[in-house]
Amino acid sequence: AQKVTQAQTEISVVEKEDVTLDCVYETRDTTYYLFWYKQPPSGELVFLIRRNSFDEQNEISGRYSWNFQKSTSSFNFTITASQVVDSAVYFCALQGGSEKLVFGKGTKLTVNP
Amino acid sequence: DGGITQSPKYLFRKEGQNVTLSCEQNLNHDAMYWYRQDPGQGLRLIYYSQIVNDFQKGDIAEGYSVSREKKESFPLTVTSAQKNPTAFYLCASSILGLAGDNDQETQYFGPGTRLLVL
Repeated sequence: AQKVTQAQTEISVVEKEDVTLDCVYETRDTTYYLFWYKQPPSGELVFLIRRNSFDEQNEISGRYSWNFQKSTSSFNFTITASQVVDSAVYFCALQGGSEKLVFGKGTKLTVNP
Repeated sequence: DGGITQSPKYLFRKEGQNVTLSCEQNLNHDAMYWYRQDPGQGLRLIYYSQIVNDFQKGDIAEGYSVSREKKESFPLTVTSAQKNPTAFYLCASSILGLAGDNDQETQYFGPGTRLLVL
């Protein structure tokens, strides 16, 4: 069985602070894919990143960065210098082999001005 | 513009009524999916279709039905058998279905439909 755990239910920060969203996953597959999606108040899920299990290289995209560590089964997401527009619910998701996409319960991030 | 559209944005259902949620995509994607989201919860898969005229049950298919007569359309019917239909429903699509192993499996989502029971 596959499982994604986002232990942080809600996080509140002040603008310009850095914030890290945690994601821990469980799978028995050797080939799998990890995702992060953003859900702003409008409701639509916005795709942010996809990472396969053979690529542990960390990635940076503007103010966003992702830290993938197979040894700890974690795929954490950091926002640097947070902005009010970053306020949203962020979902981590796992897809193993030809399996379905499994979502965590999400972390609600509130960035206060 | 290419994308996924869902309608209506809000839908009200009376007791014993069937209602249909629309999902259309003009991305030429083969696969389409329906998810249900409850407050404070992640998304749960209702049904998915990897090709026209074929679809499979997801984790919570009871009380729902779908059809896939056209590549660009994947409507979801919430039947009267679904006793707790109040939720946010999201449709998604991907270039390929679940058997792929590359970026073409990435799912892209529509804006969602919020279903409420009167």
